[in-house]
Amino acid sequence: VQVVESGGGLVKPGGSLRLSCAISGFSLNRAWINWVRQAPGKGLEWVGRVKTKADGEATDYAAPVKGRFTVSRDDSKSTMYLQMNSLNIEDTAVYYCAVDPSGVVGGGDCCWGQGTPVTVSS
Amino acid sequence: EIVLTQSPATLSLSPGERATLSCRASQSVSVYLAWYQQKPGQSPRLLIYDASRRAAGIPARFSGSGSGTDFTLTISSLEPEDFAFYYCQQRSNWPPTTFGQGTRLEIK
Repeated sequence: VQVVESGGGLVKPGGSLRLSCAISGFSLNRAWINWVRQAPGKGLEWVGRVKTKADGEATDYAAPVKGRFTVSRDDSKSTMYLQMNSLNIEDTAVYYCAVDPSGVVGGGDCCWGQGTPVTVSS
Repeated sequence: EIVLTQSPATLSLSPGERATLSCRASQSVSVYLAWYQQKPGQSPRLLIYDASRRAAGIPARFSGSGSGTDFTLTISSLEPEDFAFYYCQQRSNWPPTTFGQGTRLEIK
């Protein structure tokens, strides 16, 4: 399984960025995809999740990003997305894409990308 | 939101010793707790899910136990590569899923 994020970079406060996550070597039919971030020197923080097509591609978000971030998936391209709008300095972090292969309560994120850094600064 | 509290914040041990890391939840998460290992500059790696199930490829020296609000990750005999950060995550009541603040396991 290979998970590769891209799209990170430097953006000004109030700006937007779209991250991509390409997944290969894995069947995505039952997989939920999570985005998790890690601010410099800090711990892990869940950002959002998109469920499977069978689950209606339902999405959930952490409170700090709700209304500003959108997660989506395109299984035909084996690619997941995190659209980030109205970015602020507190969004500065390494963003990880993580695969939950079971798509059920419990379990764990088996497969993580290397992360893509996002820096919000004027 | 369920809060996870990990202890200790830092654990200093020598290779060959036994490590015991704790994670306490502010309310019951049943057995829906996972443990991750993260080394500096690397992404997290899943060690344990559903409190006690080892993920694929994880050595047998790693074990997890607990249910409800109290959980433990045990490393039976530390190898040099085990010195890292460890995070617990509850997967019972989300959104949101939450992580503990982490335990740093360092070489004594």
